[in-house]
Formats: sequence, C-alpha cells, structure tokens
Amino acid sequence: GIQVEQSPPDLILQEGANSTLRCNFSDSVNNLQWFHQNPWGQLINLFYIPSGTKQNGRLSATTVATERYSLLYISSSQTTDSGVYFCAVVPYSGAGSYQLTFGKGTKLSVIP
Amino acid sequence: EAGVVQSPRYKIIEKKQPVAFWCNPISGHNTLYWYLQNLGQGPELLIRYENEEAVDDSQLPKDRFSAERLKGVDSTLKIQPAELGDSAVYLCASSFRQGDEAFFGQGTRLTVV
Repeated sequence: GIQVEQSPPDLILQEGANSTLRCNFSDSVNNLQWFHQNPWGQLINLFYIPSGTKQNGRLSATTVATERYSLLYISSSQTTDSGVYFCAVVPYSGAGSYQLTFGKGTKLSVIP
Repeated sequence: EAGVVQSPRYKIIEKKQPVAFWCNPISGHNTLYWYLQNLGQGPELLIRYENEEAVDDSQLPKDRFSAERLKGVDSTLKIQPAELGDSAVYLCASSFRQGDEAFFGQGTRLTVV
C-alpha cells in the first residue's frame, strides 16, 4: 500500500516562531488532508488539499501532487498550536483506495 | 451542523469482557470509517462502510471484533472478548462519499485491565 512519511517527528518552537512540516507520499493520491490532534485526542481538520495551496489564518498548506509531497506552514506559533499534526492520504488506485492512510505525525511543542 | 458523535468517551473493562462503541456520523454522509489509534501512532483503518455495506474490512480482527451499520446511519463496533492489547483509542469518521474529506469524532479511549 501507499507509504506516508512525515518530518520532523518532533519539533519544539518558541512562541512566535514559524515552522514547516513535511509529508511525503509514495504514490498518486486523490485526497490529502492535514489534521491537528489536540491534547484531548480530537482530530481537527486543517486542510483538504489534494493539490495547490490554501491558507487559513496563520496556517497554510501546499501540495505538489506531481512530486508527491505536501507542506504545512505554521506562522507566529502559539502555545495552543501544540499537539500532533497528521498528514493523511487517499491513494488514487490500488490497495487502500478510498481509505485515509496516515503518517506517524509530527509532535509540535510550542513553549512560552 | 453536528459533527461525528461517539460514545462512550472512556471505557475501562476487565480482560475477557465484551465492549461496544457507538458512532453517529454527520447527517447525509454515506461513508463511515472505524479507525484504531495506538499510543504514539497514526490511526489505522479497521473497517469502512458505504451506506450499510462493509466494503473494506480486511484489517478487522474478525475472531473478536464485529461491526454493523444498520440502515446506513449509526454504527456499532464490538469486541468480544477484549484483550489487554486492545487498549487504544477507537475513532469513527464519516465523509459524504468515499474518498471525500473525512471528519472524525472525539474517539473512545478503551483501557483493558
């Protein structure tokens, strides 16, 4: 099945700093989503972005489908941004089609 | 609009006991997923429903796990008997149709003692 790799696995930021999280995937995708899992375990939808660029406040994301990667940018980080960020993809075809396959996540800690 | 609703939020049971989880998807969503998340890992699919039909259950341990989605709306996931290794978070998600943006419930944290 499709492989999803996220980097870095852990990230510690000072409040106010910017960061870039990366997601590489091994095959063509129909769907790519970024989630934030808060300390209570809730997966919160950030972006649905199979291709192109989107922005939502301090967060933005870019997916370059032809090169099989996506980037999540966090600007002016706040302590409430702490948690685990997951990238998840739906393969274009083959095993796992129509199901979200998750990476292992990036654990972000923002310190005051 | 209400999101995906799961219950209970937390469950502690003794090993060998049965347990059941319930999920109510977003209204109008035809696709429903059950995922398992172990500590420090990303969620992994257990089963996917299209309406009331289970179309992908290859990763569901069928000797002890069962699921149903009556009338293509609510779903239940059952474990009988539970084992210590089943301790994890069980997540339900739904999407309008297969492959569309998926939305997750708050999950059920199961502890088997």
